[in-house]
Parts: sequence; structure tokens; C-alpha cells
Amino acid sequence: IVMTQSPDSLAVSLGETATINCKSSQSVLFSSNNKNYLAWYQQKPGQPPKLLISWASARESGVPDRFSGSGSGTDFTLTISSLQAEDVAVYYCQEYYSTLWTFGQGTKVEIK
Amino acid sequence: QVQVVESGGGLVKPGGSLRLSCAASGFAVSGYYMSWIRQAPGRGLEWISYIRSGDDVIFYADSVKGRFTISRDDANNSLYLFMNSLRVEDAAVYYCARVQGSMDVWGKGTTVTVSS
Repeated sequence: IVMTQSPDSLAVSLGETATINCKSSQSVLFSSNNKNYLAWYQQKPGQPPKLLISWASARESGVPDRFSGSGSGTDFTLTISSLQAEDVAVYYCQEYYSTLWTFGQGTKVEIK
Repeated sequence: QVQVVESGGGLVKPGGSLRLSCAASGFAVSGYYMSWIRQAPGRGLEWISYIRSGDDVIFYADSVKGRFTISRDDANNSLYLFMNSLRVEDAAVYYCARVQGSMDVWGKGTTVTVSS
């Protein structure tokens, strides 16, 4: 499965909304449990990645509610509402539907 | 405290070998899928291997298949990555992660440099 994120980078003003898209080359929706096998990670400079969202829309404990995930099948979105300075990072989507997992290429979020 | 700590990185010549370790604490590696992921300098994340809990089935990315071997030591609560026939393009930070569907616990990584 190939994961393609868009855009590669974006600059958003503080307090505004950042929207990152992730498209998979085939569906990651498992029909037997109706779950999308899609995760979102945040990686700040010099740090390891941090899991934000699993199953396309389930926010991890402790992740601010300004982060939300949506979508199903092949098209997914990570939305950061009311962008804060500490949200500057690279964001990755990742599918875990197949036996060989893949990440998107990453989207760099900066402050405008 | 649930965490994983990688070690074993270093400088190795092309064609050489290296063993990376990942020590887990706060949970038993035997009960989870465990994975290795790498990140070349200035590049994105690349999943390279995981080992399943229960049946120990293993998967590798094509880029490392036949050269890298993942293993788990339940007694030492650790995960390993044996890397052979290293290439310049294998240079990266290597991360170990616990898997619960997605990868929910990551270490800080260990750096592998491949250079003559």
C-alpha cells in the first residue's frame, strides 16, 4: 500500500486550522470490524514520533482535543484546530492494514 | 513506567554488521507485536520489520529483507535487530516501538552510521 500525504508542507497562522490529507492506494477499512487501520503521528525536531490518533479517529490519551482525525477507506484527514506554537512538527500517517506497513512521506507544519 | 530504550548503534563500514537492542520496561514484549522503524537523516519514517506476539511471525520491508533479522528475548524483555551487509543507505536513526495496532510506545532511537 502506498500512502500519499498532501501538502508536503503548510504554514498556518496561530489560532487557525491546519488540514493534512492522507490517501492510501487501497482501502485500509477492514470490513469485518468496520475499522480503518490508519494512524497519525507527530514528530517534533530532535524527538521520536508520538502517536496522536489510531483507527483513523481515536485520539490517544493526553492528546489535546484540537487534534482530530477523520475519513474512511482510502481518504483521511488530520485537522489541527486553533494551531498552537507547540504544534510545529512533521506529521505522518501510517497504515497497518497490510502485512507490510507504510508511512506517508510526512507533512511539515509551520507557523505563518 | 512503560518505555523502550534502544542501544547498539555506531559507526560501521559498508558490508559490516551490527546488532541493535531494545530494552522494554513496564510491559512484557512477549505480549505485543514489536517493531523496528528507521529514519535516514532529513528523511521520513520507514517501517522495516515487526514480530508478532503469540506465533512469532515476522515481516520485513523489501529494503532490508535477507539482510536484517528481528528477534525477541522474552527472558530479557528485549527486542533485537541483527543487521548484516550494511549499505551506506542503511544509515539512519533506528527506533523500536511497541505495537497495539498502531505504534504507541517509541524509544528515543539509536544512530547507525555506515561509512568507510
